[in-house]
Amino acid sequence: NAGVTQTPKFHILKTGQSMTLQCAQDMNHGYMSWYRQDPGMGLRLIYYSAAAGTTDKEVPNGYNVSRLNTEDFPLRLVSAAPSQTSVYLCASSYAPRDCTDTQYFGPGTRLTVL
Amino acid sequence: GENVEQHPSTLSVQEGDSAVIKCTYSDSASNYFPWYKQELGKRPQLIIDIRSNVGEKKDQRIAVTLNKTAKHFSLHITETQPEDSAVYFCAASMGSNYQLIWGAGTKLIIKP
Repeated sequence: NAGVTQTPKFHILKTGQSMTLQCAQDMNHGYMSWYRQDPGMGLRLIYYSAAAGTTDKEVPNGYNVSRLNTEDFPLRLVSAAPSQTSVYLCASSYAPRDCTDTQYFGPGTRLTVL
Repeated sequence: GENVEQHPSTLSVQEGDSAVIKCTYSDSASNYFPWYKQELGKRPQLIIDIRSNVGEKKDQRIAVTLNKTAKHFSLHITETQPEDSAVYFCAASMGSNYQLIWGAGTKLIIKP
């Protein structure tokens, strides 16, 4: 198993540009989530999906998500802003409807918005 | 609001000594409390977790204790080794759908 994979590893965007961060898992996990990690701030939840086809949390401004199938969970930055400069971590877990199970993290995408 | 406070932000201990990291949480309904270790340049990995029906859990040199009344839980590492150097994160499940809310992290430094 590849586990949780993320692409790209690094990316630089200009303010106002858009891009999609890819996340995929091959463990048949129902629960997937996106975090951003900033120095001294820990992990901040952006969005989670408890199962394919469900939307379970209001998506913060500036982001768009979709969960069309079990494996893929892309995160789209609609119009990038410097405040979105961060390391983005995708995670998945087996727990059917919530997060009370081991979270398996991807390697992260380091995004810089100029 | 929903939050988890983690202390200290940095902890430096002599190799072989014990290290303790503490977290407090705001939601009395929280029922799941994991601890993750993140080594430099790597992804966070679960090292131990505890559920609200248990007061203490041990796994070799690491242990977690939970005080539901006071709403705090702690990570204990005994006989610290150089490979324990990392950032440690606590988290607690909160909200109607039990999202994980994370502490800000503790950088543990093991001095030789």
